[in-house]
Amino acid sequence: DAGVIQSPRHEVTEMGQEVTLRCKPISGHDYLFWYRQTMMRGLELLIYFNNNVPIDDSGMPEDRFSAKMPNASFSTLKIQPSEPRDSAVYFCASRPQGTRNTIYFGEGSWLTVV
Amino acid sequence: SQQGEEDPQALSIQEGENATMNCSYKTSINNLQWYRQNSGRGLVHLILIRSNEREKHSGRLRVTLDTSKKSSSLLITASRAADTASYFCATALGQAGTALIFGKGTTLSVSS
Repeated sequence: DAGVIQSPRHEVTEMGQEVTLRCKPISGHDYLFWYRQTMMRGLELLIYFNNNVPIDDSGMPEDRFSAKMPNASFSTLKIQPSEPRDSAVYFCASRPQGTRNTIYFGEGSWLTVV
Repeated sequence: SQQGEEDPQALSIQEGENATMNCSYKTSINNLQWYRQNSGRGLVHLILIRSNEREKHSGRLRVTLDTSKKSSSLLITASRAADTASYFCATALGQAGTALIFGKGTTLSVSS
């Protein structure tokens, strides 16, 4: 079975540009999570969806960040405009419904804003 | 804010030695999980221990949980160079327990 698929794997962009990160969760998984990882702050939960509906976006750092899940097999995380402090690894993860809350991570999108 | 905090931040050992990593958390939990992250990769689930369990084994992994101290430990026995990675504990956010909150991790280096 395919795991969580993220694209792009690496992106370098200039400050002020729009960045769109994409995620395809594991088929049949009802929950989708976006995390950000930096050396300073570790792994931070940004937002998560249940059945395509955003449940908790309290971790989204600023209005420059937005996330959508138009259908069960696709989600985007958008940063507009991007800033150098947004440089990080962005992970998408998913899990099925149920009490066991183990989640499955993608390989991450490495973002560098210069 | 982080729910779990791992200790130590970094650990260097020789192949064959045991590695112990600790995790402390703040609020009551239903379960606690440990994940592993190889350099440049995503996190991978290792083991889950429920709040009513005190110890759990999986291969060379042994996890303990002390809910009275709000702490857990991960022991890797007979370590190998391939165990070199970062290890994270994770607990559920809030009553619903849907999302996981991770600590900053312990970076383990095993030299041959």
